[in-house]
Amino acid sequence: EAQVTQNPRYLITVTGKKLTVTCSQNMNHEYMSWYRQDPGLGLRQIYYSMNVEVTDKGDVPEGYKVSRKEKRNFPLILESPSPNQTSLYFCASSFRGQTYGYTFGSGTRLTVV
Amino acid sequence: AQSVTQPDIHITVSEGASLELRCNYSYGATPYLFWYVQSPGQGLQLLLKYFSGDTLVQGIKGFEAEFKRSQSSFNLRKPSVHWSDAAEYFCAVGGANTGNQFYFGTGTSLTVIP
Repeated sequence: EAQVTQNPRYLITVTGKKLTVTCSQNMNHEYMSWYRQDPGLGLRQIYYSMNVEVTDKGDVPEGYKVSRKEKRNFPLILESPSPNQTSLYFCASSFRGQTYGYTFGSGTRLTVV
Repeated sequence: AQSVTQPDIHITVSEGASLELRCNYSYGATPYLFWYVQSPGQGLQLLLKYFSGDTLVQGIKGFEAEFKRSQSSFNLRKPSVHWSDAAEYFCAVGGANTGNQFYFGTGTSLTVIP
């Protein structure tokens, strides 16, 4: 089944403790992207990647890192999480980016205390 | 700057009634427009998209949307709503002028009453 898989689905962590949210897609998509969803703000793009080793900042990149060493994987790294990064995170992938629309993962609900 | 506005935060309709969700965009050229639906606890699912051509596009689950350039709108419609349509709906815009960024509206929550 074609899908985008994120792990974990739920995560509670403490301020400053590094964490990684994994994202993997099995559709051989070139484009991958991370979003955060907050009430009243909709979805905001954190980072995106157009291909292996090619990444760029979205609208809200501060406090996040990404890497794209393989086409299928696009992990999101929080080096020193803070409470304002408590949010619902979505990974998405697309064959050629915005033209084709994105396929979304099921989300990761992160709480930083 | 590119942006998407969904004026209605929350809409309630009766099952069987028609539905229209509004979306207005700001974009300097021909936009790529999308509607996504998010069911509770789920990711986003693409309902339909517009790139060019016929301004009335058909999507999944009986939804359609009409692109009106003069009004900068891309409203989503459904003639008869089912209880299973209760969800959050997001409009999004992209295009050649946005690079690879993709802008979402803040969403409209739909409640369907029996």
